[in-house]
Amino acid sequence: GAVVSQHPSRVICKSGTSVKIECRSLDFQATTMFWYRQFPKQSLMLMATSNEGSKATYEQGVEKDKFLINHASLTLSTLTVTSAHPEDSSFYICSAPGTGDRETQYFGPGTRLLVL
Amino acid sequence: GENVEQHPSTLSVQEGDSAVIKCTYSDSASNYFPWYKQELGKGPQLIIDIRSNVGEKKDQRIAVTLNKTAKHFSLHITETQPEDSAVYFCAASITGNQFYFGTGTSLTVIP
Repeated sequence: GAVVSQHPSRVICKSGTSVKIECRSLDFQATTMFWYRQFPKQSLMLMATSNEGSKATYEQGVEKDKFLINHASLTLSTLTVTSAHPEDSSFYICSAPGTGDRETQYFGPGTRLLVL
Repeated sequence: GENVEQHPSTLSVQEGDSAVIKCTYSDSASNYFPWYKQELGKGPQLIIDIRSNVGEKKDQRIAVTLNKTAKHFSLHITETQPEDSAVYFCAASITGNQFYFGTGTSLTVIP
C-alpha cells in the first residue's frame, strides 16, 4: 500500500513559537492531502484539505491564519501552527488518497505536539 | 452532512472470542466504508473496506458487512488475539470526498 510519512514525530515548543509539520507521500503523488487533529481518546477531526498548487480548504471553526497549510509539491504538504499555545497541544495526522484506488486514504504516523 | 455513529465505545473480549463493532451512517449517498486500526501514538491503518455495491467482504479473521437499506455496517474480528487490542474507527465517504469518522471503539483482548 501507499506510504505517508510525517516529520517530526513529536515536538515540544514554547508558547508563542511556530511549529512546522511535514507530510510526505513516499511512493506516490498526492494532489490532495488532509490534515486531522486528534485529542486523547477521541476521533479524528478534519481540519483542512490541502490542495497542490492552490489554497487549502478549511473546515468550519478552524482558523486559517493559525494553521497555515502549504502544498508545495505533489508529495509534500506542510502544516504550520503559528504562535502556538498550550491549547494547540494535540496529535496531528495527515492523510492522502492512494493512486489507482482513489477512495482509500492512507494516514501518516502522526505528530505529537506539546506546547509549554 | 454525514453523521457516523459507532458502538460500543469500549469492548473487552477473551482471547479467541469474536468481536463485533457496529456503525451507522446518515447520508444514503455514502458509498465507501473503510475501517481503521489505530495503536497508541500511531496513525490509523486501513484494515478492511467495503463499497456500497458489496454486502460483505472478508480478509482472513476480519470481515465487514454492509446493510445499505438500514445504513449500517459492522466489523467482525474472529479468533481475537492480544495484538488485536487497539482503537478501531469506522468511516463513511462519498467517493473522492472527505471521510466522516465514527467516535472509535477501544478493543481489549484479554489473554
